[in-house]
Amino acid sequence: EAGVTQSPTHLIKTRGQQATLRCSPISGHTSVYWYQQALGLGLQFLLWYDEGEERNRGNFPPRFSGRQFPNYSSELNVNALELEDSALYLCASSFTGTGFAEAFFGQGTRLTVV
Amino acid sequence: QKEVEQNSGPLSVPEGAIASLNCTYSDRVSQSFFWYRQYSGKSPELIMSIYSNGDKEDGRFTAQLNKASQYVSLLIRDSQPSDSATYLCAVKRAGTALIFGKGTTLSVSS
Repeated sequence: EAGVTQSPTHLIKTRGQQATLRCSPISGHTSVYWYQQALGLGLQFLLWYDEGEERNRGNFPPRFSGRQFPNYSSELNVNALELEDSALYLCASSFTGTGFAEAFFGQGTRLTVV
Repeated sequence: QKEVEQNSGPLSVPEGAIASLNCTYSDRVSQSFFWYRQYSGKSPELIMSIYSNGDKEDGRFTAQLNKASQYVSLLIRDSQPSDSATYLCAVKRAGTALIFGKGTTLSVSS
């Protein structure tokens, strides 16, 4: 069974540009979570989508946005890129959004803003 | 108050010893608790989940949960150099995403 897949693996953008990151959850999973992990730091929660709806949002500016498609895949958009946005962006999926569902991570997208 | 707290370490143990990793959380209505292992430059890998008070064992790993004390721990028996990684504690309740601690770095020396 395929795990969570993210694309692209690496992305290099110029400050001010927009970045789009994509995530395909494990088959049967309806919840998708996005996290940012800056170098040497912990996982910071960005966004949570479940059944096509945004359920929760972390403490990030509005230029971080996303959506979930009918097939439960998701994309994260980062507008007006800043140098501080350089980080590993991780997507995780779970079977449901309830309190008991285990979440599994993709391999991440390394975003570098120059 | 931080939601999930872990000692950042590094925690150094010799090969074959027991490594003990600890985590405290602030949200009393948290329902589920997870331990992830993250190797440098890689994504987190789920190694244990625990939902009720007590111990849960899986191979060399034992997770312990005490909801009254808002405390969860991970014991790694017979530690191996391949266990050297950062261990992330995560907590979840209904209606919220997983919240992670900053992780504890474990170093197992041979």
